Amino acid sequence: GAVVSQHPSWVICKSGTSVKIECRSLDFQATTMFWYRQFPKQSLMLMATSNEGSKATYEQGVEKDKFLINHASLTLSTLTVTSAHPEDSSFYICSALPGQTYEQYFGPGTRLTVT
Amino acid sequence: AQTVTQSQPEMSVQEAETVTLSCTYDTSESDYYLFWYKQPPSRQMILVIRQEAYKQQNATENRFSVNFQKAAKSFSLKISDSQLGDAAMYFCAYRILNYGQNFVFGPGTRLSVLP
Repeated sequence: GAVVSQHPSWVICKSGTSVKIECRSLDFQATTMFWYRQFPKQSLMLMATSNEGSKATYEQGVEKDKFLINHASLTLSTLTVTSAHPEDSSFYICSALPGQTYEQYFGPGTRLTVT
Repeated sequence: AQTVTQSQPEMSVQEAETVTLSCTYDTSESDYYLFWYKQPPSRQMILVIRQEAYKQQNATENRFSVNFQKAAKSFSLKISDSQLGDAAMYFCAYRILNYGQNFVFGPGTRLSVLP
């Protein structure tokens, strides 16, 4: 149980285009989802907290107009990187929390490469 | 500020031996959860072990155990009978017991297992 999927697992896009990453909780309802960014050989950096039915809460320094987060249902959150640039290339990981629990379940991550 | 420190960027252990990864954290809260996550080369984050701060007994999961010293704000991970599959990045993290609060991650320790 407690499986989280991400799609796509790997995407290459051209500079200036937008790309959408989906995060789905497959066998539970997630009121809260987190979006992380991870640079090579570094830790996870929290980008935003996504709560179903409300606006995402972004961490300081994260551009909300560039990284659009939508948590439209209890099983789906999306991260859209708008007008992507090479510096947005990174590994993006989502996690989901089943209801009022203390534990998060991670998706497998999405590798974004912007050329 | 809430922080997690992992003072060992890299560690190595001989197969079948025991290794301890250190973690210290800083929080003014009294109720929180502590976690160790493993990130193998696949980059899928895997929960290794968790500890509730209100529990004095150290958590154990098969070959993995923790030494939780609340007063010292220390949470080390001991891996016994190390296996080649234990090679990974290990992240220490905590979350305070107030739903909606984020997880705070340490910088990670890269563990190599030598055959």
